[in-house]
Amino acid sequence: DTGVSQNPRHKITKRGQNVTFRCDPISEHNRLYWYRQTLGQGPEFLTYFQNEAQLEKSRLLSDRFSAERPKGSFSTLEIQRTEQGDSAMYLCASSSNQGNQPQHFGDGTRLSIL
Amino acid sequence: GDSVTQMEGPVTLSEEAFLTINCTYTATGYPSLFWYVQYPGEGLQLLLKATKADDKGSNKGFEATYRKETTSFHLEKGSVQVSDSAVYFCALSRSGGSNYKLTFGKGTLLTVNP
Repeated sequence: DTGVSQNPRHKITKRGQNVTFRCDPISEHNRLYWYRQTLGQGPEFLTYFQNEAQLEKSRLLSDRFSAERPKGSFSTLEIQRTEQGDSAMYLCASSSNQGNQPQHFGDGTRLSIL
Repeated sequence: GDSVTQMEGPVTLSEEAFLTINCTYTATGYPSLFWYVQYPGEGLQLLLKATKADDKGSNKGFEATYRKETTSFHLEKGSVQVSDSAVYFCALSRSGGSNYKLTFGKGTLLTVNP
């Protein structure tokens, strides 16, 4: 169990640029979640994958956000035309496919928009 | 919708003091309840969980009991250590098909002084 891995750890970019984050879940985990955490707040759910299928998207996920999990393993989260309000910590979590199993979190990607 | 309310921080204690962090929730049905901990510079780690009423979750000297009558899941520890300094998040999840997305409170910063 190598844990959930997220890259990069930090991303600084100018407003209007596109950014992409990667998440590698624990290898045997079918479920994968993305959350966003802003300063002083708890994480908020963005989207959920069961294997390669994206089964739920939060209304927080605007049209500028897209997530994929093409082979049911790693996942990417892309933000197009970044805005100041996108500055946050983006967290990935995974869990096994048996009932309500605890989610294991990565260390997150911190996005800063200049 | 689902929500979690936890005690506003920050909380500052001396080593060996008793800790309580209050958490209450609003959710339909029978959610599972969790406490996650985030140490400085690290990702979220599951501290303990409870899946049904009257269950007690425990780990590393921390305890929390699922109280359905008061919709509460308060975190307690009898004697805190400096190493317990971290941000603590209360969270719930409910089954939505296979999506067990987490709803978090805002977090409580705990600082333990020697």
